[in-house]
Amino acid sequence: DAMVIQNPRYQVTQFGKPVTLSCSQTLNHNVMYWYQQKSSQAPKLLFHYYDKDFNNEADTPDNFQSRRPNTSFCFLDIRSPGLGDAAMYLCATSRGTGGRNTEAFFGQGTRLTVV
Amino acid sequence: SQKIEQNSEALNIQEGKTATLTCNYTNYSPAYLQWYRQDPGRGPVFLLLIRENEKEKRKERLKVTFDTTLKQSLFHITASQPADSATYLCALDMYSGGGADGLTFGKGTHLIIQP
Repeated sequence: DAMVIQNPRYQVTQFGKPVTLSCSQTLNHNVMYWYQQKSSQAPKLLFHYYDKDFNNEADTPDNFQSRRPNTSFCFLDIRSPGLGDAAMYLCATSRGTGGRNTEAFFGQGTRLTVV
Repeated sequence: SQKIEQNSEALNIQEGKTATLTCNYTNYSPAYLQWYRQDPGRGPVFLLLIRENEKEKRKERLKVTFDTTLKQSLFHITASQPADSATYLCALDMYSGGGADGLTFGKGTHLIIQP
């Protein structure tokens, strides 16, 4: 059974048109992450939530925003997608205790194409 | 700057042999080091986690070592099989003393097991 679910698997959006990617989890993990992965590159951490605390990576563009309305759901909003934002977007969860993470569980990813 | 290095070129190993992958890092003092497997078009899957005070961890045909002096981890797959062909990612868990930081990934090593 899928434990971290990302929707949609494939998303095509127009240049400059806002798009939202979603992630849900059934693991009740307190930490949720969003990563961007381009071809043959490492997954790049965009931001993560530790419980309700939002942590933005210093080099994440302002064009990327996130929302976590409850433990189970997390959204990635791209306000004005550019061609350079075409990538695989990965959502992951982990159980964080005492400030340390255990293993991360990843969704299948959303492949974003910008036209 | 902080850096994680993995052999990013493809590593070709004959079936039945031991595959050894390397992860080197600089300017980090990670609490944990993790290894993941990623197949094309899919999210990474957790394999093993090793803590800073552990030298070695094993799971079935997998073995990980962690040398914090050398700032290096080695990942071994014994009795390799064609089904082991995938990209293997090294990830570091940085603990900053507050909330947990996100996992930082290397580019990965593309492993090909030839029959």
